[in-house]
Amino acid sequence: EAQVTQNPRYLITVTGKKLTVTCSQNMNHEYMSWYRQDPGLGLRQIYYSMNVEVTDKGDVPEGYKVSRKEKRNFPLILESPSPNQTSLYFCASSSFYEQYFGPGTRLTVT
Amino acid sequence: AQSVAQPEDQVNVAEGNPLTVKCTYSVSGNPYLFWYVQYPNRGLQFLLKYITGDNLVKGSYGFEAEFNKSQTSFHLKKPSALVSDSALYFCAVRDKSGYSTLTFGKGTMLLVSP
Repeated sequence: EAQVTQNPRYLITVTGKKLTVTCSQNMNHEYMSWYRQDPGLGLRQIYYSMNVEVTDKGDVPEGYKVSRKEKRNFPLILESPSPNQTSLYFCASSSFYEQYFGPGTRLTVT
Repeated sequence: AQSVAQPEDQVNVAEGNPLTVKCTYSVSGNPYLFWYVQYPNRGLQFLLKYITGDNLVKGSYGFEAEFNKSQTSFHLKKPSALVSDSALYFCAVRDKSGYSTLTFGKGTMLLVSP
């Protein structure tokens, strides 16, 4: 079954404590991306990756890092989380015509 | 830069009545257009897409959307709404030049009353 998995699904953390949200896909897609969803703002792209070792900024990259060492994995790293990064995060993996979304990670930073 | 507008924050409709959720877009060249649905505490589910061909696109759960190039619109429709259709709906666009960014609208909450 085609799938995008994210972990953890829920995370409560404190300001400044580094965290990583993992994302993995089993469709051999080259293109992957991260979005955050906030009420009234829709989904905004944080970072994307065209292939292994190729990443680029999306619309809201500040405070985030990513890496793409393997085709299937695209982790999102928050080096020093702040309360304004409290949000719902989605990883996506794309074929040429469609994006497949993970189940989401709800992050709360206190 | 590409953009999507969903002019209604919320659409209210009675069960059994037809529903329309509006979407207009702006993109360089020809677009790929998508609708996604998000149920409470769930991820995004793909509903339908327009790539090329027939302007009327049929998707999951009885939904359809009509691509109108002159009006740059891609409204989502369903002939007879169900209470279970109540959810948050997102329209999205990308251009056809390779793997470009998918840009989302802000979402429209659909509430179907019994």
